[in-house]
Amino acid sequence: LAKTTQPISMDSYEGQEVNITCSHNNIATNDYITWYQQFPSQGPRFIIQGYKTKVTNEVASLFIPADRKSSTLSLPRVSLSDTAVYYCLVGDMGYGGSQGNLIFGKGTKLSVKP
Amino acid sequence: EAGVTQFPSHSVIEKGQTVTLRCDPISGHDNLYWYRRVMGKEIKFLLHFVKESKQDESGMPNNRFLAERTGGTYSTLKVQPAELEDSGVYFCASSQYDGTDQSGNTIYFGEGSWLTVV
Repeated sequence: LAKTTQPISMDSYEGQEVNITCSHNNIATNDYITWYQQFPSQGPRFIIQGYKTKVTNEVASLFIPADRKSSTLSLPRVSLSDTAVYYCLVGDMGYGGSQGNLIFGKGTKLSVKP
Repeated sequence: EAGVTQFPSHSVIEKGQTVTLRCDPISGHDNLYWYRRVMGKEIKFLLHFVKESKQDESGMPNNRFLAERTGGTYSTLKVQPAELEDSGVYFCASSQYDGTDQSGNTIYFGEGSWLTVV
């Protein structure tokens, strides 16, 4: 399972776009990239998942370059309620893979200020 | 649709006692996972059920931990006897993925069961 590296913390202001980059140099061919959000005293909440190029849903976008050695989670127009820890995870979540042994790092603590 | 539910949300027990945590996955999800975060550490994988079978239990710390999923629905995680270092939050998660399509496996977490051993 590939190890990930992401900034320990980030600060932003309400209304700004926030981009959190994660590096995963040892990503394997079958690995997917998944981002979770976690608030204090709550479980991790799935945000977005992708394999390559760009994925967008109602809350975020995920940009993955061609070499897949990094990925960027983009949160448009953040609000105070987006203050949380964001985890980037990489693992073989596809056919025949480990399907669940997610490796959580320390995550990125995002602080959104008024 | 109800999410992953866990019970109890909080538990305080004495060292040497037994605690049983319960997890109800999202309806229809064959995959059920247990994770935990002990004090000051990162979230760690414990084990993975596919229906009632243990697919991967490589993360179980020792034989004081017993996970079951009879009937392939809800799961229990029993800690017997509990030790101080077992204090932390235990997360259950579930997913529907069966390994046959081309999309990734989306895993949904519960809110956790917070265990304090004193």
